Amino acid sequence: DAKTTQPPSMDCAEGRAANLPCNHSTISGNEYVYWYRQIHSQGPQYIIHGLKNNETNEMASLIITEDRKSSTLILPHATLRDTAVYYCIVRRSAYNQGGKLIFGQGTELSVKP
Amino acid sequence: EAQVTQNPRYLITVTGKKLTVTCSQNMNHEYMSWYRQDPGLGLRQIYYSMNVEVTDKGDVPEGYKVSRKEKRNFPLILESPSPNQTSLYFCASRARLAGELTDTQYFGPGTRLTVL
Repeated sequence: DAKTTQPPSMDCAEGRAANLPCNHSTISGNEYVYWYRQIHSQGPQYIIHGLKNNETNEMASLIITEDRKSSTLILPHATLRDTAVYYCIVRRSAYNQGGKLIFGQGTELSVKP
Repeated sequence: EAQVTQNPRYLITVTGKKLTVTCSQNMNHEYMSWYRQDPGLGLRQIYYSMNVEVTDKGDVPEGYKVSRKEKRNFPLILESPSPNQTSLYFCASRARLAGELTDTQYFGPGTRLTVL
């Protein structure tokens, strides 16, 4: 699986866009970029995923560079409830054969008033 | 509302006293799974179930049992709990589309278990 590198922590002002980077320079052609988050003591939550095109849904946007070696998750108007650990996962599937979700280290995002 | 529910949310018990944590989903999902989460160790899968009457061990099944008699329920049973099973437990489910499991896994709110 491609290794991912994320900053351990980031701050963002409430109402501003939060841009969370992820480096995955060894990504393979059939590997997707997934983003999940986990709010403290809650279950992990799926955010978005993509292969090579930029993706947008009601929660966030995912920008993948043309060479696919890095990506950015954008929360357009961060709120205090977006404070969480955000995980970038690069795999063919976010799950192993048993359906287990595979997490790396993640970025702890703190949204401040 | 689509959801995964777990009960109880908090439980303090003593070593050796059998307990069951219930998990129920209302989305008709075939796949269900149990995880435990401990500081510094991330999410570890305990058991999973691909369908009714089909269960399999995850990474850390020792000391746990599960059953899947109906699609919506997937209880986690600790026959003789020990202090090293003190943890935060999550139940999860996923849908299957055209024979493949989808990317979105729905998690329950968690059960914080303390075994004294």
